[in-house]
Amino acid sequence: AQSVTQPDIHITVSEGASLELRCNYSYGATPYLFWYVQSPGQGLQLLLKYFSGDTLVQGIKGFEAEFKRSQSSFNLRKPSVHWSDAAEYFCAFNDYKLSFGAGTTVTVRA
Amino acid sequence: SQTIHQWPATLVQPVGSPLSLECTVEGTSNPNLYWYRQAAGRGLQLLFYSVGIGQISSEVPQNLSASRPQDRQFILSSKKLLLSDSGFYLCAWRSLAGIYNEQFFGPGTRLTVL
Repeated sequence: AQSVTQPDIHITVSEGASLELRCNYSYGATPYLFWYVQSPGQGLQLLLKYFSGDTLVQGIKGFEAEFKRSQSSFNLRKPSVHWSDAAEYFCAFNDYKLSFGAGTTVTVRA
Repeated sequence: SQTIHQWPATLVQPVGSPLSLECTVEGTSNPNLYWYRQAAGRGLQLLFYSVGIGQISSEVPQNLSASRPQDRQFILSSKKLLLSDSGFYLCAWRSLAGIYNEQFFGPGTRLTVL
């Protein structure tokens, strides 16, 4: 079955440190892949997306993600985390609908 | 530019009462519309989606229903709420005009059923 998996439920990172959130997908063809961020009590905001072409995708807020077909992964990274990055992050792929991973909650400590 | 609205923002309802949540989209035509529920500590669950007026697809059996009376209006309803209906409800739209087909989300409605 087509799906996305986010192996990490919760990650704690120090402010200024780097962040990497994992996402693995299971899909027959090259999927359309997305990362969304959700601040507490808010809707979801699109960070970045991948369809084809360059496998390193730049997004908003200093985030980037790399598509690796050989590993079926689309990991999200940020070189230096800010306290405002504390949120829940969802990986998703697009079929006729968006299928979301379970989400990774990021806590940023001072 | 396109915007999506949801109301109310928060709602507290007793068990057994009816429900009506509304979602409207501006600045686009013929969008695909979606209702998601996010229960506490859980991911996003797609409840309904609609590709046009009067066309509703249900993803999971449940106590809720959806309707699309106008092109840019999507309504989530229940005749009798259950405790398990509590959660954060998100409406989203998607345009088929672009190849990326990402969804854009509304601000959400926090529903508490007591």
